[in-house]
Amino acid sequence: GDSVTQMEGPVTLSEEAFLTINCTYTATGYPSLFWYVQYPGEGLQLLLKATKADDKGSNKGFEATYRKETTSFHLEKGSVQVSDSAVYFCALSEYSGGGADGLTFGKGTHLIIQP
Amino acid sequence: KAGVTQTPRYLIKTRGQQVTLSCSPISGHRSVSWYQQTPGQGLQFLFEYFSETQRNKGNFPGRFSGRQFSNSRSEMNVSTLELGDSALYLCASSSLQSNEQFFGPGTRLTVL
Repeated sequence: GDSVTQMEGPVTLSEEAFLTINCTYTATGYPSLFWYVQYPGEGLQLLLKATKADDKGSNKGFEATYRKETTSFHLEKGSVQVSDSAVYFCALSEYSGGGADGLTFGKGTHLIIQP
Repeated sequence: KAGVTQTPRYLIKTRGQQVTLSCSPISGHRSVSWYQQTPGQGLQFLFEYFSETQRNKGNFPGRFSGRQFSNSRSEMNVSTLELGDSALYLCASSSLQSNEQFFGPGTRLTVL
């Protein structure tokens, strides 16, 4: 079955540091890939997505590129802020048309940014 | 556009009881999915409903069930609650044209 592997952390960085959170996946077909973020006490917010190989998703300074050859979708940001502290989830979905199949999530990476 | 809403936000139940959670999707979205989030197992897919029909189901026992109404609102029910059912239950909706899912704030269920 499908699976997603990501570093769990916590990952602690200083403000303005460069961020990379690794994500690799296993899928039977050609999935869409997502990064979601969860702030304390809240639900999940979609951060960015990519639907096919070599697509780059980007939002709020975060980027991730769909690498089919390495089955990876690493999240990067050039300069993190304290407000980026949250839990980040990598996920995939095998789209079968007419709506979403269930998302398969990684375990989540707890990111802590220190001032 | 209003987002996905879930009620109630918090619930406390005792073992053996049953519980019903409600989810209202974004207007125009016809697909509703449910997920369970626990510290040990992370986020796990429960089931997905589209046009009042369950299309996909995760690996959960039959105590977990759901339904969807003609207005796309969905409910999930857990019968004979166990301590391990304590979790954050998240609902997500998506449109016919996209596999992008939008999540609600969740219902925090505590089983004592």
